Amino acid sequence: QVQLVQSGSELKKPGASVRVSCKASGYTFTNYAMTWVRQAPGQGLEWMGWINTNTGNPTYAQGFTGRFVFSLDTSVSTAHLQISSLKAEDTAVYYCARVVATTLFHWFDPWGQGTLVTVSS
Amino acid sequence: DIQMTQSPSSLSASVGDRVTITCRASQSISSHLNWYQQKPGRAPQVLIYSASSLQSGVPSRFSGSGSGTDFILTISSLQPEDFATYYCQQSYSIPYTFGQGTNLEIK
Repeated sequence: QVQLVQSGSELKKPGASVRVSCKASGYTFTNYAMTWVRQAPGQGLEWMGWINTNTGNPTYAQGFTGRFVFSLDTSVSTAHLQISSLKAEDTAVYYCARVVATTLFHWFDPWGQGTLVTVSS
Repeated sequence: DIQMTQSPSSLSASVGDRVTITCRASQSISSHLNWYQQKPGRAPQVLIYSASSLQSGVPSRFSGSGSGTDFILTISSLQPEDFATYYCQQSYSIPYTFGQGTNLEIK
C-alpha cells in the first residue's frame, strides 16, 4: 500500500540544524510531488511548500525561505526537510504528504505520521 | 494569498446528528477545495477533494458541496469516530492555504 514513513522525534538546541526524512513506498516516487506541512503545538496546518520529485525543483511558501530546504534521494524514494539556525518557534510537528494530481485538481494523500521537532535550550 | 475562513471554529454535536461546516475563500477558487480530517495525535487524512469528490474508502455520510468562494462539508449522521478537527484547503493557487480548522466535539 502507499505509505510515507517519517523519521523520529528530534530535540535540538537553538541555532542547531535538523533533518527530517520521509520515505515513500508502494508507488513510483518520481511520479508524484511531495509537500511539507507544519503544525505548531495546538495550532492549525500551515503549508510550507513542495518539491518536484522529477526535477528536484522546490517551491517554498513565504515564511519558509532561507532556513528551510527541501531535498530528495530518489535512489531510496526519500524526501528530506532540513531546517537550519533553529529557533524556539520552529517547535512543531512536520508532515510530508504526497501530492495527488489530476489534470485540474490536486490534493494531499497520504500523509506521513509526522515528526515532532522540539527546539529548547 | 487566498485566505480560507471556516465556521464555526468549534462545534458540539451528538451521535446521529447532521452537521455542516462552512469554508469561505477570500476570492473565487472554482472547485479547488479539499477537506481533511485530523484526529488527536494523528496525521490529517483527505475526505473530499475538488469540492465534492469523495476519497476512496471514506464513508458516504461525508459529502462536500460548493464552488467559487463558499463550500460546505456535511456529515449526514455523526458517528463516534467522526469527532475530530476538520480543515479545508484551497489548491487553486500557491500558497495552498488551509482554514483555521473546526473542532467537532461530543455534546
